[in-house]
Amino acid sequence: GQNIDQPTEMTATEGAIVQINCTYQTSGFNGLFWYQQHAGEAPTFLSYNVLDGLEEKGRFSSFLSRSKGYSYLLLKELQMKDSASYLCAAMDSNYQLIWGAGTKLIIKP
Amino acid sequence: DGGITQSPKYLFRKEGQNVTLSCEQNLNHDAMYWYRQDPGQGLRLIYYSQIVNDFQKGDIAEGYSVSREKKESFPLTVTSAQKNPTAFYLCASSPPAGGSDEQYFGPGTRLTVT
Repeated sequence: GQNIDQPTEMTATEGAIVQINCTYQTSGFNGLFWYQQHAGEAPTFLSYNVLDGLEEKGRFSSFLSRSKGYSYLLLKELQMKDSASYLCAAMDSNYQLIWGAGTKLIIKP
Repeated sequence: DGGITQSPKYLFRKEGQNVTLSCEQNLNHDAMYWYRQDPGQGLRLIYYSQIVNDFQKGDIAEGYSVSREKKESFPLTVTSAQKNPTAFYLCASSPPAGGSDEQYFGPGTRLTVT
């Protein structure tokens, strides 16, 4: 079956760095997406990886290892506004997104 | 301003009633999607449409129906056959389905059925 695993909740301190991991098993693979979702709001796109390696975009970076079925989202210089859920989604061979349950990130001052 | 609108943001219905959730986009996207989000679970695909007058069932289509008569609009009807309709419903769109283009989401409709 198809499955996405990510931690349910993480806590970090303002100004610090946090890494949110995601492992996936899909029928075929056409890329991995990370979205941010604040409570009660719509998910917003953060990053897309289809090749192995690290993609950096400002304070956020995303890494992919296709051989390991593994990705992570790295958030640097954490700010209080980064408190949100982070959703990992893998695109399967039919170009359908398989979504993880999301990781709730709590930032403490 | 281009985007996706969903209305209303909150919707309350009595059990046994059908209810239609609206979704409109002015991004000129071909593909549109309906997801359901429940606490502690990932987004689950209800229906999707890649072109006008065509749509496919997602993983949890039972108890739901859709139409795609216009490119801009993809309304979702939650029927009385849906056993657990209370949830947060998200509509999304993207350029032609598939590929690396991300999905853009509307603000969502929180449906409560009592």
